[in-house]
Amino acid sequence: AQTVTQSQPEMSVQEAETVTLSCTYDTSENNYYLFWYKQPPSRQMILVIRQEAYKQQNATENRFSVNFQKAAKSFSLKISDSQLGDTAMYFCAFMRGNQAGTALIFGKGTTLSVSS
Amino acid sequence: NAGVTQTPKFQVLKTGQSMTLQCAQDMNHNSMYWYRQDPGMGLRLIYYSASEGTTDKGEVPNGYNVSRLNKREFSLRLESAAPSQTSVYFCASRETSGAFEQYFGPGTRLTVT
Repeated sequence: AQTVTQSQPEMSVQEAETVTLSCTYDTSENNYYLFWYKQPPSRQMILVIRQEAYKQQNATENRFSVNFQKAAKSFSLKISDSQLGDTAMYFCAFMRGNQAGTALIFGKGTTLSVSS
Repeated sequence: NAGVTQTPKFQVLKTGQSMTLQCAQDMNHNSMYWYRQDPGMGLRLIYYSASEGTTDKGEVPNGYNVSRLNKREFSLRLESAAPSQTSVYFCASRETSGAFEQYFGPGTRLTVT
């Protein structure tokens, strides 16, 4: 069975600094997808970034980028130029293939606090 | 474009009461999901529906039933609520091709006393 581990329950950073959230996963699959979701205090789940395992290039979305190390089964999220609005819980998630019905497997989350 | 909607947003039940959480999506997605979120546990899958007319158990299905009423709607029923079912419940949907992103509803906070 696949598992997702986020080893940092809480992180804090100052505005404008860079922070990296860690995620490791365990799978024997070759075709899979990885995601980072953000959950602000509003509770809404918001997709931050995704990575297809078959792509070697790391995904980037504005200030958010990932370091995908397939052999090490590591998928960290880097947030550059942190903003107060980045304060949220961040979940790493794994999806085995993309067949109909395939669900996400989530890590337990990292609470990120950005201060001024 | 409403995306994924859930009702109600908040609910308090007494032990043994029943209720149905409603979910609807307007994106013409085939797959729909119910997750629960507990402190320190992340989100865990309760049930899913790969397509209209099919449902399957996820990681934590005990105490729940689901109905895929049509392509748009996927409801979650608690027949006899227990305090262990106090949680935040999320419905989600996704395409089966293309971007394969899951879209989430706003969640329902359920308290069972």
